[in-house]
Amino acid sequence: QKEVEQNSGPLSVPEGAIASLNCTYSDRGSQSFFWYRQYSGKSPELIMFIYSNGDKEDGRFTAQLNKASQYVSLLIRDSQPSDSATYLCAVDLNNDMRFGAGTRLTVKP
Amino acid sequence: NAGVTQTPKFRILKIGQSMTLQCAQDMNHNYMYWYRQDPGMGLKLIYYSVGAGITDKGEVPNGYNVSRSTTEDFPLRLELAAPSQTSVYFCASSYRRTENIQYFGAGTRLSVL
Repeated sequence: QKEVEQNSGPLSVPEGAIASLNCTYSDRGSQSFFWYRQYSGKSPELIMFIYSNGDKEDGRFTAQLNKASQYVSLLIRDSQPSDSATYLCAVDLNNDMRFGAGTRLTVKP
Repeated sequence: NAGVTQTPKFRILKIGQSMTLQCAQDMNHNYMYWYRQDPGMGLKLIYYSVGAGITDKGEVPNGYNVSRSTTEDFPLRLELAAPSQTSVYFCASSYRRTENIQYFGAGTRLSVL
């Protein structure tokens, strides 16, 4: 059974802090991992993706993979109020993409 | 570029009615997907297509049908609408299978009453 689980939150952090979001996945064969941001009433938009071979940093965002423990994390440094959204973790296995329910992040000014 | 375009944006159906949700992309992507998203939930894959003439079931295909006659279009058909199909429907497309970076349309909000 392929599943992706996330803490639904809400996660609240002050402006300028580091926000840490996590998700766990059940299928060890999963090959690529995605983080999407979804503002209320809008469609998901890609933040980052990583393969099973390493972590990735892009500006204020860092995605990390722990294959042994089967979890993926997204760190947002210097959090801004505009980062307030729901963050969806997605795991891809042979074109079968499974999404978590999302973690709602609120960044307070 | 328009990207992924979905129509309509909103629709109210009565139980038992049928309708087609339209999805078109202008990025020459081979892969296209239909998802539904219930309140507070993640996206559930309904159907996907890896190219014109090729479709396959996702996680929740019951009550839906799809066709893919062209690269650009991937309509989703609801037959005999039921209240359980009340949801927000997203269409997505991607170019390369190895990366599977999906680009989403704006969504269709459907209510079945």
